[in-house]
Amino acid sequence: DAKTTQPTSMDCAEGRAANLPCNHSTISGNEYVYWYRQIHSQGPQYIIHGLKNNETNEMASLIITEDRKSSTLILPHATLRDTAVYYCIVRGTLNTGTASKLTFGTGTRLQVTL
Amino acid sequence: GAVVSQHPSRVICKSGTSVKIECRSLDFQATTMFWYRQFPKQSLMLMATSNEGSKATYEQGVEKDKFLINHASLTLSTLTVTSAHPEDSSFYICSARDKGAAYEQYFGPGTRLTVT
Repeated sequence: DAKTTQPTSMDCAEGRAANLPCNHSTISGNEYVYWYRQIHSQGPQYIIHGLKNNETNEMASLIITEDRKSSTLILPHATLRDTAVYYCIVRGTLNTGTASKLTFGTGTRLQVTL
Repeated sequence: GAVVSQHPSRVICKSGTSVKIECRSLDFQATTMFWYRQFPKQSLMLMATSNEGSKATYEQGVEKDKFLINHASLTLSTLTVTSAHPEDSSFYICSARDKGAAYEQYFGPGTRLTVT
């Protein structure tokens, strides 16, 4: 699976949008971009995933560049409860044989402040 | 839906003893379950992948005789840390892939193991 690069940490004021970038320049055509987050001492929580098109759900939006070499996770109105480590993961499809593996990098520690 | 539970949430054991951690998918069938380990201030590291009814596949560097994994049913996988030592103290997290969903993988809340 392609390696991802994320900033180590970011701050965001409560109520503002949090934009978390991720570089995945070696992503291949059949690999998806997944985002998970981990609040302290809890298991990871799925946020969103996408292949080419931008995606939005009740938690966040995912913007993927046209060349797919980078993406941005957007939390539109961050709250204190969004303070967590956010992981960007690139994962292949099932027919690659290792698609189910999620390889976690170091992630971005997002601190939402008052 | 798609809830994964782990038991216990915390456990303290003495060095040399064995500890069993359970991972259950509560409202779906999981043909595949994964076990991760996370040391303080570090990321999750995959230890092994278990498929229902077959032997687990361990990642490089993970001792299969020390970390025994059993996936006897579609809703339960267990991880047994045998002859635990203080360096095995860690946060152990399982995840389960929904048999009915192509890509979804759901994580349990984790088990904090402390070996004294």
